[in-house]
Amino acid sequence: TQLLEQSPQFLSIQEGENLTVYCNSSSVFSSLQWYRQEPGEGPVLLVTVVTGGEVKKLKRLTFQFGDARKDSSLHITAAQPGDTGLYLCAGDFGNEKLTFGTGTRLTIIP
Amino acid sequence: KAGVTQTPRYLIKTRGQQVTLSCSPISGHRSVSWYQQTPGQGLQFLFEYFSETQRNKGNFPGRFSGRQFSNSRSEMNVSTLELGDSALYLCASSSQGTKNIQYFGAGTRLSVL
Repeated sequence: TQLLEQSPQFLSIQEGENLTVYCNSSSVFSSLQWYRQEPGEGPVLLVTVVTGGEVKKLKRLTFQFGDARKDSSLHITAAQPGDTGLYLCAGDFGNEKLTFGTGTRLTIIP
Repeated sequence: KAGVTQTPRYLIKTRGQQVTLSCSPISGHRSVSWYQQTPGQGLQFLFEYFSETQRNKGNFPGRFSGRQFSNSRSEMNVSTLELGDSALYLCASSSQGTKNIQYFGAGTRLSVL
């Protein structure tokens, strides 16, 4: 069974600070998606990373795929209250479905 | 373009009852997947339907079933409800399948008393 562990589970920081959340697996995944879920809504796709070592930027968000394709990180610069939400990674382990991580619940304090 | 619509948004049932949840995907999407989200287990895959056929299934008991209609709308049924079935049930649609971009609905919050 492939597992995706996300850390930290909870994170609460002040507006303007930087943060990094992690997604780790013991197995290699073909690709990895990051989603953000806000209260009362379903997850919304932020990015898909496919190539080991790949880095993608989405405004203040930087996503990195580990060289061995077993881990990924999401770095947010100068966090804003609008970044508050549940961040989920989802890995494709080549078994025709996505496996979601446990999630990081992020709260940005104004 | 309308998004994924799930109905109802909230449901309260008692143990032993059954429930049917509905999902209308984005127009043109043929793949519909269902997920169960709980605080303890996170987001877990239930099953995927593509062109009216179940294409993939997660590790849930047979009490959880689904179907897809010719217009791609999908329903999920849970029979003999248990307290542990209380969760947010999310539906996601995609043009090709679960490994492509999935668009999620807002979910149905099911409470079993």
